[in-house]
Amino acid sequence: AQSVTQPDIHITVSEGASLELRCNYSYGATPYLFWYVQSPGQGLQLLLKYFSGDTLVQGIKGFEAEFKRSQSSFNLRKPSVHWSDAAEYFCAVGGATNKLIFGTGTLLAVQP
Amino acid sequence: NAGVTQTPKFQVLKTGQSMTLQCAQDMNHEYMSWYRQDPGMGLRLIHYSVGAGITDQGEVPNGYNVSRSTTEDFPLRLLSAAPSQTSVYFCASSLGAGGYEQYFGPGTRLTVT
Repeated sequence: AQSVTQPDIHITVSEGASLELRCNYSYGATPYLFWYVQSPGQGLQLLLKYFSGDTLVQGIKGFEAEFKRSQSSFNLRKPSVHWSDAAEYFCAVGGATNKLIFGTGTLLAVQP
Repeated sequence: NAGVTQTPKFQVLKTGQSMTLQCAQDMNHEYMSWYRQDPGMGLRLIHYSVGAGITDQGEVPNGYNVSRSTTEDFPLRLLSAAPSQTSVYFCASSLGAGGYEQYFGPGTRLTVT
């Protein structure tokens, strides 16, 4: 079955610190993987996506993610977090099933 | 382009009432979908459509109906609202299924009392 696990419900980091948000997926074929961000009261915005090729993908706002097939993971990283990065982050998996399935999200808080 | 629009923004229903959440897009996208967002549950796929006249069930379809008579519109119908359907509903559209970026509407906050 197609599924996504985001094991961290809530993460707090200090401004300027590095960030890694974890995402593990389950999918029977080659997955399409996404990270979306949702600011409070807003819809979702795409940060980055992986289809094939280079396993390290760059996104907007300085984010990157690495696809590791052997670990079924697609973790999101940022070297230096800004206060404006405080939001909820969702990992999602899609593919030939025509369904895009989301994880439960990780809420990021940034301390000054 | 207005992108994806949803109406209404807020709605309060009584148990047993019916209503339709409207979703429209002006990007000529073939793929449209409905999600509900609940605290701690993330976004869960309700129904989706890969083109006009074609719809299918997602993860949590019970209690909801959809139809897709035009490329632009994808309404979500609640036939008999229940408190368990209290949620924020998002409509999304994309060029295709699976591997394309989804464009989300602003959401509809529904409360069923």
